[in-house]
Order: sequence, then C-alpha cells, then structure tokens
Amino acid sequence: QKEVEQNSGPLSVPEGAIASLNCTYSDRGSQSFFWYRQYSGKSPELIMFIYSNGDKEDGRFTAQLNKASQYVSLLIRDSQPSDSATYLCAVNTSGGSYIPTFGRGTSLIVHP
Amino acid sequence: DAGVTQSPTHLIKTRGQHVTLRCSPISGHKSVSWYQQVLGQGPQFIFQYYEKEERGRGNFPDRFSARQFPNYSSELNVNALLLGDSALYLCASSSGTVNYGYTFGSGTRLTVV
Repeated sequence: QKEVEQNSGPLSVPEGAIASLNCTYSDRGSQSFFWYRQYSGKSPELIMFIYSNGDKEDGRFTAQLNKASQYVSLLIRDSQPSDSATYLCAVNTSGGSYIPTFGRGTSLIVHP
Repeated sequence: DAGVTQSPTHLIKTRGQHVTLRCSPISGHKSVSWYQQVLGQGPQFIFQYYEKEERGRGNFPDRFSARQFPNYSSELNVNALLLGDSALYLCASSSGTVNYGYTFGSGTRLTVV
C-alpha cells in the first residue's frame, strides 16, 4: 500500500509567521510531488509541484523535497488569515504514473 | 477559457438508487480523473481516463463505473447507492501527457439518505 502521511492538525500560526507543513511518503520510487490548497467547502487548488531534491520557491510559498528521507514540505512565509485552509500533499508514485495519491491534509489556521 | 465543469453541484438520492455525475475538462485536456472525498479525508482515487481509455482504477466496488466520450467529457456512474457513498465527488482535468498536476472542478456533493 503506497501511503502519503500528513499530520491532520490543526496547525495554528500567528499572522506574519512562517507556516511549515510536512508530508512523508512510503514509495521510494515516487517521482513528482504536489501541494494543493482546499478551502472549506471548496475543491482543491494546485499551489506547487516539485520533482527534484531541494527547494522551489513561488512567491510566499516554498516547496522542499528530500527524496532520501522521503519527505516533502511546504513553507508559507508571511502567513495571512486568507491562507487558512487545508493543505493536501499528493505524490505520483513510481512507474510513470499520472495518478497521484493524496494525503488526508493538514488544516492551517492563521490567526490575526 | 472555461475551467473544469461538473454537474450537478448537489444531489440527494435514496439508498439503492443510481446516480450519474458529469464532467467536462479544460479545453485541450484529454485526461479526466474522478476522486471521492469524504469529510476530513483526502481525495480517494476512483478512475482515470485518457483518450477514452481507462488508465487506472482505484479500490472501489464494481458499483462504480465511468466512461469518457470523444469530446473528452466524462461520466461517473454509481449503482445501488449506499449511505457510505455520501461524499464530494471531484473531477480533475489534466493534459495526460505532462505531469503538472490537476485542475479540479468544483465537485458534486452527493448525499444518500
């Protein structure tokens, strides 16, 4: 069973702080990694994807990938109340699959 | 350009009935995937279609079926509905050839009573 694990939270951070969201995966051959944001009652929205070890930055968001540790994270700098949502980690497993496995998501609350 | 369109947005059905959910992908996208999301959980994969062929099937019973049409739109059918089928059903559109992630539709909220 290929698994993607996330702490369900909630993770509570003050406005302006850095929020750090973590995800681990079981399939060592996984090749591509995605972060989605899902507001309550809405559908997921793609924030970032990362394929290579290291950091990838897009505005206030940074995705970090460590394949040796089977770990991917999302950092949100200068967190805003509008960032309050559930963040889903998704992993495309080995074999060239285009079918990602999703984690259960981490609920983030940014309080003023 | 229109995004991913799903219909209906909400649906209430009785146990034992069947339901058909519909999805139109982004123009130019040839792949449609279906996911089920229950409250508090991540999306669970049901089916993926690419160029009208089934490319993957998740761990769902045979009551669930799907198809993709020549215009790349798709239908998800669920027979003999159970209370446990109550969930948000998400359609995801992708090109099918490059792996840049999904664009999701707004979903269909199915309630089985």
